[in-house]
Amino acid sequence: AQSVTQLGSHVSVSEGALVLLRCNYSSSVPPYLFWYVQYPNQGLQLLLKYTSAATLVKGINGFEAEFKKSETSFHLTKPSAHMSDAAEYFCAVSGGSNYKLTFGKGTLLTVNP
Amino acid sequence: EAGVAQSPRYKIIEKRQSVAFWCNPISGHATLYWYQQILGQGPKLLIQFQNNGVVDDSQLPKDRFSAERLKGVDSTLKIQPAKLEDSAVYLCASSSNNEQFFGPGTRLTVL
Repeated sequence: AQSVTQLGSHVSVSEGALVLLRCNYSSSVPPYLFWYVQYPNQGLQLLLKYTSAATLVKGINGFEAEFKKSETSFHLTKPSAHMSDAAEYFCAVSGGSNYKLTFGKGTLLTVNP
Repeated sequence: EAGVAQSPRYKIIEKRQSVAFWCNPISGHATLYWYQQILGQGPKLLIQFQNNGVVDDSQLPKDRFSAERLKGVDSTLKIQPAKLEDSAVYLCASSSNNEQFFGPGTRLTVL
């Protein structure tokens, strides 16, 4: 069984500030972990993924995430927020042979000028 | 490379009516998924196909939902009859290795 908890349904930052979106997971097998971004009226776009290689994963648009097994966490960060980062972000976990994704409830990121 | 295509993008129906959604995955992707995303929640897997066979349909409400992928390429998802709580965005995804690629979704409103 697997599950994802995203702490904070809404995060608001100022333009240029650090972005930190939190994700904790539970998985009975070694997990693959993903962050997706969803803009209004669009599908999900993959930001980055962890698949048991390097624990610090770099993604698109300046985002990165660090896999911490001891903390069962995969938090998403970006050093400096841009207005275009405003969107909903989903953390997801998969494990097992069918790569079934289990998503968190999402975090809405607002960027203030 | 063309992405995952879905149609229609929007659909409004009355409760107890039927509706169908269509998905065309990325060429060559053997695995296809249908997700339901209710407002304010993350996507929930409804059904997963490997070619034209069902891998996982444990969360599909089979009394009203059905899906098929007859030739292992395009897929349709049907709801009959629809209920108010079926209002959601229905996302289709296809995968290569361990990465899923999502279509734009169909937003269904049931009145």
